[in-house]
Amino acid sequence: EPEVTQTPSHQVTQMGQEVILRCVPISNHLYFYWYRQILGQKVEFLVSFYNNEISEKSEIFDDQFSVERPDGSNFTLKIRSTKLEDSAMYFCASSEVGAGISGANVLTFGAGSRLTVL
Amino acid sequence: AQKVTQAQTEISVVEKEDVTLDCVYETRDTTYYLFWYKQPPSGELVFLIRRNSFDEQNEISGRYSWNFQKSTSSFNFTITASQVVDSAVYFCALSEANTDKLIFGTGTRLQVFP
Repeated sequence: EPEVTQTPSHQVTQMGQEVILRCVPISNHLYFYWYRQILGQKVEFLVSFYNNEISEKSEIFDDQFSVERPDGSNFTLKIRSTKLEDSAMYFCASSEVGAGISGANVLTFGAGSRLTVL
Repeated sequence: AQKVTQAQTEISVVEKEDVTLDCVYETRDTTYYLFWYKQPPSGELVFLIRRNSFDEQNEISGRYSWNFQKSTSSFNFTITASQVVDSAVYFCALSEANTDKLIFGTGTRLQVFP
């Protein structure tokens, strides 16, 4: 079964460092997402991406964050100058269609990248 | 404003018991979608079901069933004859029409003991 793959599975970084989390979405999917889950808390939407641009973002997704699809397969989340509160599990997801086309899209999530900021 | 409430933080049952996970949602939209996702100990989020607001028919899939009631804004999930492998955190989520965003509840941790 097709899956979304994320690397690294766990990254430890020092406060103030830049981090790039990588995702390979399902190959025929066109919509990409990042969510995060602070330990023990709910999963929160960060950003959605379609046609090489951000289609929607939450208030969490400030100037510290950026997303990119550098080639035909990868989708990355960059966190500049990490803070302690950025420690979380970051989930990438993809869907074949977007919300506006078929109603609600069904997201396939990756296994997550755990980020620990010290 | 959209909101999903899962009042049960943690439920423990013994294998073969039935268990119902509650989900109450709030939205002003007339068109919306409800989801359940499972997060096993390995951490990934596994899609279980999606319902749209126009379809109140209950659904059964093996030992899983879902009860959608618009009158009470609830979308409850029942596992019949629970098994140890059902142990996970279960998230209910809401999406309104024409938005990419899924609003998750805080999750219910289900522990099934042998």
